[in-house]
Amino acid sequence: AQSVAQPEDQVNVAEGNPLTVKCTYSVSGNPYLFWYVQYPNRGLQFLLKYITGDNLVKGSYGFEAEFNKSQTSFHLKKPSALVSDSALYFCAVRGSTGGGNKLTFGTGTQLKVEL
Amino acid sequence: GAGVSQTPSNKVTEKGKYVELRCDPISGHTALYWYRQSLGQGPEFLIYFQGTGAADDSGLPNDRFFAVRPEGSVSTLKIQRTERGDSAVYLCASSLQGSPLHFGNGTRLTVT
Repeated sequence: AQSVAQPEDQVNVAEGNPLTVKCTYSVSGNPYLFWYVQYPNRGLQFLLKYITGDNLVKGSYGFEAEFNKSQTSFHLKKPSALVSDSALYFCAVRGSTGGGNKLTFGTGTQLKVEL
Repeated sequence: GAGVSQTPSNKVTEKGKYVELRCDPISGHTALYWYRQSLGQGPEFLIYFQGTGAADDSGLPNDRFFAVRPEGSVSTLKIQRTERGDSAVYLCASSLQGSPLHFGNGTRLTVT
């Protein structure tokens, strides 16, 4: 079975400071990892993905994520946070073997960026 | 329309009633997914279609839930004898094979 853990329900950061939203995973085979963002009363929007290649993946809106195989982590980062980044962030995983294209999501981390 | 469209956006129904939720995927996307998101939780997988057939329905909670995609495009999620515990946001997503999922805005179902 595949699973995702997002240990922080909420992350608070001041605008202009770097942010990190944590994610660890468990999956059979090589992981395919994703970050999605959700604004109030909206569906999930794709931010970035890791399939293979460089461990540092760059995505939309200046976000990036670092894949660490030994720690089974895929933390989301941004060098300088904006108030408009405040939203609910979900990490998701699927395995390269079996499971089709079924994504398993974490419980989400609420990011709050304050002036 | 460029995105995944879900209708209705909100549905209130009485316990025991039947409901249908509709999803219009992005044109050309062969894969279609239904997820359910309860308050404070991440989306939970329900069912996945590749074309017209259900490739994986392992997430459907019980036999009150059923989904169809007869022509390989629009899909309908059907819930019989609704229960208060079915209240959630039902999300639909579509994709091309191997590409990221594109989600609709969801249908908020409230069972009173």
